[in-house]
Amino acid sequence: AQKITQTQPGMFVQEKEAVTLDCTYDTSDPSYGLFWYKQPSSGEMIFLIYQGSYDQQNATEGRYSLNFQKARKSANLVISASQLGDSAMYFCAMRAREGYNKLIFGAGTRLAVHP
Amino acid sequence: DTGVSQDPRHKITKRGQNVTFRCDPISEHNRLYWYRQTLGQGPEFLTYFQNEAQLEKSRLLSDRFSAERPKGSFSTLEIQRTEQGDSAMYLCASSRNREGNEQFFGPGTRLTVL
Repeated sequence: AQKITQTQPGMFVQEKEAVTLDCTYDTSDPSYGLFWYKQPSSGEMIFLIYQGSYDQQNATEGRYSLNFQKARKSANLVISASQLGDSAMYFCAMRAREGYNKLIFGAGTRLAVHP
Repeated sequence: DTGVSQDPRHKITKRGQNVTFRCDPISEHNRLYWYRQTLGQGPEFLTYFQNEAQLEKSRLLSDRFSAERPKGSFSTLEIQRTEQGDSAMYLCASSRNREGNEQFFGPGTRLTVL
């Protein structure tokens, strides 16, 4: 069965510091994709970053980077130089198998950035 | 650049009534998805369209739920005989047919069944 686990219900970080949000996944498929989304209090899911299972390098998008450790089945999100606007729910998601399009989401981590 | 839009943003209804939600995807996206999100949880997949064809449905989509995408553009999700357990945020997403296939979400429709 495919599953995403986010073990941190809540995290807090000081403004301008870096923070790591944990995500582990479970799948037997050799081909899969991993995604991170941000959900502010307004409710909209905002795509942040994507990592393919065959990608050799860790994905980066601005202040976001994905620490992909395939053997450990982990795909942690690192946010550098945190800003107050980063306060939100963060969801890790997985898409497994080419042609299968549904995303499987974790329960999320609530991040609070303190000034 | 217009994103995914959903209408209405909020819907309050009485148990037993029918409700219909609309989703307009990003114009060049041929794939459209519906998810449901309850409080404190991540979104759960409901159904997926490629153009006008409904290719996948979750077991969560009971026979009271029906989704359509008649011309491969906008989509509707109808819930018949609503129940209190249907109260949730209903999210629509769209994507292109390419590597990575990141899905872009709309603002959601929050349904409250009294």
